[in-house]
Amino acid sequence: EPEVTQTPSHQVTQMGQEVILRCVPISNHLYFYWYRQILGQKVEFLVSFYNNEISEKSEIFDDQFSVERPDGSNFTLKIRSTKLEDSAMYFCASSVGWGETQYFGPGTRLLVL
Amino acid sequence: GENVEQHPSTLSVQEGDSAVIKCTYSDSASNYFPWYKQELGKRPQLIIDIRSNVGEKKDQRIAVTLNKTAKHFSLHITETQPEDSAVYFCAASLNNDMRFGAGTRLTVKP
Repeated sequence: EPEVTQTPSHQVTQMGQEVILRCVPISNHLYFYWYRQILGQKVEFLVSFYNNEISEKSEIFDDQFSVERPDGSNFTLKIRSTKLEDSAMYFCASSVGWGETQYFGPGTRLLVL
Repeated sequence: GENVEQHPSTLSVQEGDSAVIKCTYSDSASNYFPWYKQELGKRPQLIIDIRSNVGEKKDQRIAVTLNKTAKHFSLHITETQPEDSAVYFCAASLNNDMRFGAGTRLTVKP
Protein backbone atom coordinates (compact mmCIF):
# COMPACT_ATOMS: atom_id res chain seq x y z
CA GLU A 1 0.00 0.00 0.00
CA PRO A 2 1.49 3.37 -0.99
CA GLU A 3 2.48 5.69 1.82
CA VAL A 4 3.63 9.24 2.29
CA THR A 5 7.34 9.33 3.08
CA GLN A 6 9.37 12.05 4.77
CA THR A 7 13.06 12.79 5.17
CA PRO A 8 14.92 13.21 7.36
CA SER A 9 13.29 11.44 10.28
CA HIS A 10 15.19 13.67 12.70
CA GLN A 11 16.92 17.02 12.24
CA VAL A 12 18.88 19.07 14.73
CA THR A 13 19.74 22.63 13.85
CA GLN A 14 21.06 25.79 15.45
CA MET A 15 18.75 28.70 16.06
CA GLY A 16 18.80 31.07 13.10
CA GLN A 17 19.61 28.39 10.56
CA GLU A 18 17.40 27.41 7.66
CA VAL A 19 15.99 23.89 7.35
CA ILE A 20 14.25 22.10 4.53
CA LEU A 21 11.94 19.22 5.30
CA ARG A 22 11.14 16.86 2.49
CA CYS A 23 8.08 14.81 1.67
CA VAL A 24 7.10 12.44 -1.09
CA PRO A 25 3.30 12.33 -1.28
CA ILE A 26 1.38 9.33 -2.54
CA SER A 27 1.87 9.30 -6.29
CA ASN A 28 -1.67 9.90 -7.55
CA HIS A 29 -2.50 12.47 -4.89
CA LEU A 30 -2.98 16.07 -5.93
CA TYR A 31 -3.30 17.91 -2.62
CA PHE A 32 -0.46 18.23 -0.14
CA TYR A 33 -0.31 19.51 3.41
CA TRP A 34 2.06 20.32 6.23
CA TYR A 35 1.16 20.03 9.88
CA ARG A 36 3.10 20.67 13.07
CA GLN A 37 2.84 18.91 16.40
CA ILE A 38 4.68 20.32 19.37
CA LEU A 39 5.55 17.56 21.84
CA GLY A 40 2.48 16.47 23.78
CA GLN A 41 0.16 18.87 21.98
CA LYS A 42 -2.35 18.71 19.19
CA VAL A 43 -1.67 18.52 15.49
CA GLU A 44 -1.74 22.01 13.95
CA PHE A 45 -2.51 22.81 10.33
CA LEU A 46 0.12 24.87 8.55
CA VAL A 47 -0.64 24.89 4.84
CA SER A 48 -2.31 23.10 1.95
CA PHE A 49 -0.97 23.10 -1.58
CA TYR A 50 -2.52 22.30 -4.93
CA ASN A 51 -1.49 22.89 -8.53
CA ASN A 52 1.75 24.54 -7.46
CA GLU A 53 -0.01 27.06 -5.29
CA ILE A 54 -0.88 27.47 -1.64
CA SER A 55 -4.63 26.90 -1.32
CA GLU A 56 -5.04 27.44 2.42
CA LYS A 57 -2.72 28.50 5.21
CA SER A 58 -3.07 29.01 8.93
CA GLU A 59 -2.02 31.89 11.11
CA ILE A 60 1.08 29.90 12.05
CA PHE A 61 2.32 29.86 8.46
CA ASP A 62 4.00 33.27 8.35
CA ASP A 63 6.84 34.63 6.22
CA GLN A 64 9.27 32.34 7.98
CA PHE A 65 7.76 29.38 6.16
CA SER A 66 7.57 28.49 2.51
CA VAL A 67 6.55 25.42 0.52
CA GLU A 68 7.59 24.19 -2.85
CA ARG A 69 7.11 21.30 -5.23
CA PRO A 70 10.54 21.38 -6.86
CA ASP A 71 9.91 18.36 -9.08
CA GLY A 72 7.23 15.82 -9.85
CA SER A 73 7.57 13.88 -6.62
CA ASN A 74 8.90 16.01 -3.76
CA PHE A 75 7.06 18.53 -1.61
CA THR A 76 9.18 20.63 0.71
CA LEU A 77 8.72 22.87 3.72
CA LYS A 78 11.41 25.48 4.26
CA ILE A 79 11.78 27.18 7.61
CA ARG A 80 13.99 30.26 7.51
CA SER A 81 15.87 31.54 10.53
CA THR A 82 14.63 28.82 12.88
CA LYS A 83 13.58 29.67 16.42
CA LEU A 84 13.59 27.52 19.54
CA GLU A 85 9.80 27.32 19.40
CA ASP A 86 9.94 25.75 15.95
CA SER A 87 11.03 22.51 17.64
CA ALA A 88 8.26 20.06 16.86
CA MET A 89 7.27 17.06 14.79
CA TYR A 90 6.39 18.13 11.25
CA PHE A 91 3.98 15.92 9.35
CA CYS A 92 3.35 15.96 5.65
CA ALA A 93 0.06 14.63 4.34
CA SER A 94 -1.57 14.14 0.97
CA SER A 95 -5.02 13.49 -0.42
CA VAL A 96 -6.29 12.36 -3.79
CA GLY A 97 -8.70 15.23 -4.11
CA TRP A 98 -10.24 18.29 -2.53
CA GLY A 99 -11.83 17.45 0.81
CA GLU A 100 -10.74 13.80 0.60
CA THR A 101 -9.04 11.71 3.25
CA GLN A 102 -5.59 12.92 4.18
CA TYR A 103 -2.83 10.35 4.72
CA PHE A 104 0.04 11.32 6.95
CA GLY A 105 3.73 10.67 6.60
CA PRO A 106 5.86 9.43 9.51
CA GLY A 107 7.01 12.92 10.40
CA THR A 108 10.29 14.77 10.82
CA ARG A 109 11.28 15.58 14.36
CA LEU A 110 12.95 19.00 14.31
CA LEU A 111 15.00 20.17 17.26
CA VAL A 112 16.25 23.75 17.29
CA LEU A 113 19.06 24.45 19.75
CA GLY B 1 -11.37 30.21 11.95
CA GLU B 2 -12.55 26.79 13.01
CA ASN B 3 -12.10 25.83 16.66
CA VAL B 4 -12.41 22.22 17.77
CA GLU B 5 -12.88 21.24 21.40
CA GLN B 6 -12.35 17.63 22.48
CA HIS B 7 -13.28 15.85 25.71
CA PRO B 8 -12.14 14.11 27.78
CA SER B 9 -8.40 14.69 27.66
CA THR B 10 -7.77 11.29 29.24
CA LEU B 11 -9.97 8.22 29.40
CA SER B 12 -9.29 4.93 31.10
CA VAL B 13 -11.54 1.89 30.57
CA GLN B 14 -11.44 -1.81 31.30
CA GLU B 15 -10.91 -4.17 28.41
CA GLY B 16 -14.27 -5.01 26.87
CA ASP B 17 -15.93 -1.79 27.95
CA SER B 18 -16.96 0.99 25.57
CA ALA B 19 -15.19 4.31 25.16
CA VAL B 20 -16.78 7.55 23.97
CA ILE B 21 -14.91 10.68 22.94
CA LYS B 22 -16.74 13.89 22.13
CA CYS B 23 -15.86 16.90 20.01
CA THR B 24 -17.51 20.19 19.22
CA TYR B 25 -16.71 22.55 16.39
CA SER B 26 -17.42 26.21 15.84
CA ASP B 27 -17.79 26.71 12.08
CA SER B 28 -21.13 25.43 10.85
CA ALA B 29 -19.71 25.32 7.31
CA SER B 30 -17.25 22.53 8.21
CA ASN B 31 -18.20 19.47 6.25
CA TYR B 32 -15.70 16.72 6.92
CA PHE B 33 -14.91 15.15 10.30
CA PRO B 34 -12.14 12.56 10.52
CA TRP B 35 -10.84 10.75 13.56
CA TYR B 36 -7.18 9.86 13.85
CA LYS B 37 -5.40 7.44 16.16
CA GLN B 38 -1.83 8.26 17.10
CA GLU B 39 0.44 5.85 18.91
CA LEU B 40 3.47 7.18 20.71
CA GLY B 41 6.01 8.56 18.26
CA LYS B 42 3.99 7.52 15.22
CA ARG B 43 2.00 9.28 12.54
CA PRO B 44 -1.71 9.97 12.94
CA GLN B 45 -3.68 7.17 11.29
CA LEU B 46 -7.20 7.70 10.03
CA ILE B 47 -9.62 5.30 11.71
CA ILE B 48 -12.97 6.62 10.57
CA ASP B 49 -14.46 9.75 9.05
CA ILE B 50 -17.86 11.23 8.43
CA ARG B 51 -19.18 13.91 6.13
CA SER B 52 -21.82 16.48 6.93
CA ASN B 53 -24.50 14.78 4.87
CA VAL B 54 -24.37 11.68 7.07
CA GLY B 55 -25.48 11.34 10.70
CA GLU B 56 -23.78 8.11 11.67
CA LYS B 57 -21.16 5.74 10.32
CA LYS B 58 -19.92 2.43 11.67
CA ASP B 59 -16.92 0.25 10.93
CA GLN B 60 -16.77 -2.90 13.05
CA ARG B 61 -16.12 -1.78 16.65
CA ILE B 62 -15.85 1.90 15.77
CA ALA B 63 -18.70 4.30 15.12
CA VAL B 64 -18.98 8.04 14.69
CA THR B 65 -22.07 10.19 15.10
CA LEU B 66 -22.55 13.75 13.88
CA ASN B 67 -25.09 16.29 15.08
CA LYS B 68 -24.85 19.22 12.69
CA THR B 69 -27.40 21.30 14.54
CA ALA B 70 -25.48 21.10 17.79
CA LYS B 71 -22.12 21.09 15.99
CA HIS B 72 -20.80 18.08 17.79
CA PHE B 73 -19.56 14.66 16.83
CA SER B 74 -18.52 11.64 18.81
CA LEU B 75 -16.36 8.55 18.49
CA HIS B 76 -17.61 5.31 19.99
CA ILE B 77 -15.35 2.30 20.44
CA THR B 78 -17.03 -0.89 21.65
CA GLU B 79 -15.41 -4.00 23.11
CA THR B 80 -12.19 -2.13 23.71
CA GLN B 81 -8.89 -4.00 23.57
CA PRO B 82 -5.47 -3.08 25.00
CA GLU B 83 -4.24 -2.31 21.48
CA ASP B 84 -6.83 0.46 21.28
CA SER B 85 -4.69 2.39 23.77
CA ALA B 86 -3.44 5.53 22.00
CA VAL B 87 -4.18 9.21 21.61
CA TYR B 88 -7.25 9.92 19.51
CA PHE B 89 -7.71 13.20 17.67
CA CYS B 90 -10.89 14.51 16.14
CA ALA B 91 -10.74 17.09 13.37
CA ALA B 92 -13.07 19.33 11.45
CA SER B 93 -12.38 20.47 7.95
CA LEU B 94 -13.70 23.08 5.60
CA ASN B 95 -12.11 23.04 2.18
CA ASN B 96 -8.63 21.73 2.95
CA ASP B 97 -8.05 23.56 6.22
CA MET B 98 -8.27 20.80 8.82
CA ARG B 99 -8.27 21.74 12.49
CA PHE B 100 -7.64 19.18 15.20
CA GLY B 101 -8.92 18.78 18.72
CA ALA B 102 -6.47 18.58 21.59
CA GLY B 103 -6.57 14.79 21.73
CA THR B 104 -7.80 12.13 24.13
CA ARG B 105 -5.37 9.70 25.65
CA LEU B 106 -7.24 6.39 25.87
CA THR B 107 -5.90 3.66 28.12
CA VAL B 108 -7.50 0.22 27.97
CA LYS B 109 -6.62 -1.85 31.01
CA PRO B 110 -6.41 -5.63 30.52
